[in-house]
Amino acid sequence: AQSVAQPEDQVNVAEGNPLTVKCTYSVSGNPYLFWYVQYPNRGLQFLLKYITGDNLVKGSYGFEAEFNKSQTSFHLKKPSALVSDSALYFCAVRETNAGKSTFGDGTTLTVKP
Amino acid sequence: DAGVIQSPRHEVTEMGQEVTLRCKPISGHNSLFWYRQTMMRGLELLIYFNNNVPIDDSGMPEDRFSAKMPNASFSTLKIQPSEPRDSAVYFCASSAGTEILALHFGNGTRLTVT
Repeated sequence: AQSVAQPEDQVNVAEGNPLTVKCTYSVSGNPYLFWYVQYPNRGLQFLLKYITGDNLVKGSYGFEAEFNKSQTSFHLKKPSALVSDSALYFCAVRETNAGKSTFGDGTTLTVKP
Repeated sequence: DAGVIQSPRHEVTEMGQEVTLRCKPISGHNSLFWYRQTMMRGLELLIYFNNNVPIDDSGMPEDRFSAKMPNASFSTLKIQPSEPRDSAVYFCASSAGTEILALHFGNGTRLTVT
């Protein structure tokens, strides 16, 4: 069975500072890992994914994430946060041959000016 | 690309009434998912279809909930009879079907049952 944990309900950072939103996963096979962002009154939007290859993946809006197989983690990062990055972020995992993704509970990111 | 289209955006109904939520997936996508989002339980997968066939409905809360996908461009989620605890935002998402591809979500239907 596949599962995802986002250990922080809330992350607060100051504008211009680096941000990290944490995600750990559990799968029995090879993981496909995704980050999504949700703005108020909108659906989830895809940010980036790890399938294979380079452990550091880059996505939309300057976000990146690092896949760490030994720590079973896929943390989302951005070197310099913007107020407009404030939103709800979801990590998701999908195993090879799995028909569905499993989502974490979400982390609310607040970037203060 | 018009994205995943859901209707209505908002639905307010009284307990006991039938509610039908609608979804048009992205053209060419052959997997469709219905999710429910609440503060208490987060994002829950209710059911998903592959090539119009229901694959996993284990997340459907109870028999009051039913979903259909009569063709590749349309799906419905029906609640009959509705109850106040069904109040939530319901999302439809689609993907091209392989596990490496991301989901594309609609903007949801906010359901309020009074």
